[in-house]
Amino acid sequence: SQQGEEDPQALSIQEGENATMNCSYKTSINNLQWYRQNSGRGLVHLILIRSNEREKHSGRLRVTLDTSKKSSSLLITASRAADTASYFCATDPSGTASKLTFGTGTRLQVTL
Amino acid sequence: DAGVIQSPRHEVTEMGQEVTLRCKPISGHNSLFWYRQTMMRGLELLIYFNNNVPIDDSGMPEDRFSAKMPNASFSTLKIQPSEPRDSAVYFCASSGGRDSYNEQFFGPGTRLTVL
Repeated sequence: SQQGEEDPQALSIQEGENATMNCSYKTSINNLQWYRQNSGRGLVHLILIRSNEREKHSGRLRVTLDTSKKSSSLLITASRAADTASYFCATDPSGTASKLTFGTGTRLQVTL
Repeated sequence: DAGVIQSPRHEVTEMGQEVTLRCKPISGHNSLFWYRQTMMRGLELLIYFNNNVPIDDSGMPEDRFSAKMPNASFSTLKIQPSEPRDSAVYFCASSGGRDSYNEQFFGPGTRLTVL
């Protein structure tokens, strides 16, 4: 079953705007990861945040984690058309990536 | 490194036929995962191997599905007999390399259509 639930399911924004996606999960984690999937492709790892971290940045990506609320958010700043993809959160209970549980995903459409 | 390699990329078959999907993980990775992705159920973990040994196959739908990993560089997922409800995109992923302990690397997937 999918532990992570992403919100919104779909998001449409214009280029240059910021996009925020949220993920909620149910059980304890060692870390939470975000992946991107372009249409017709496999998933690609974007960023990992550990359970003892609250915020992490990577380029135009900003991830937050609130373990008390069992939720995470992914912010993409100054979005580009190339950011159009589906974004998934994945929870890792062990820290070894041996059994990631993926969320339902958010479909992001960035228009010119 | 070429990344995770899957074959075939597309497979169309008729109900009742045997289907074999193949995966070559990234060299040096010691964990391999098979996932199935559909619109209705999202991304589901079917089975994963560690050091070529199946660790968790609780996601395998039924006895029609089987997976093997005879060596560190090759794995197969077999469906026999196939049914229309098996139509999905099947992904293989690997992890556990020295520089990628915490993330999984996905192959391009095999799109399976069972008529």
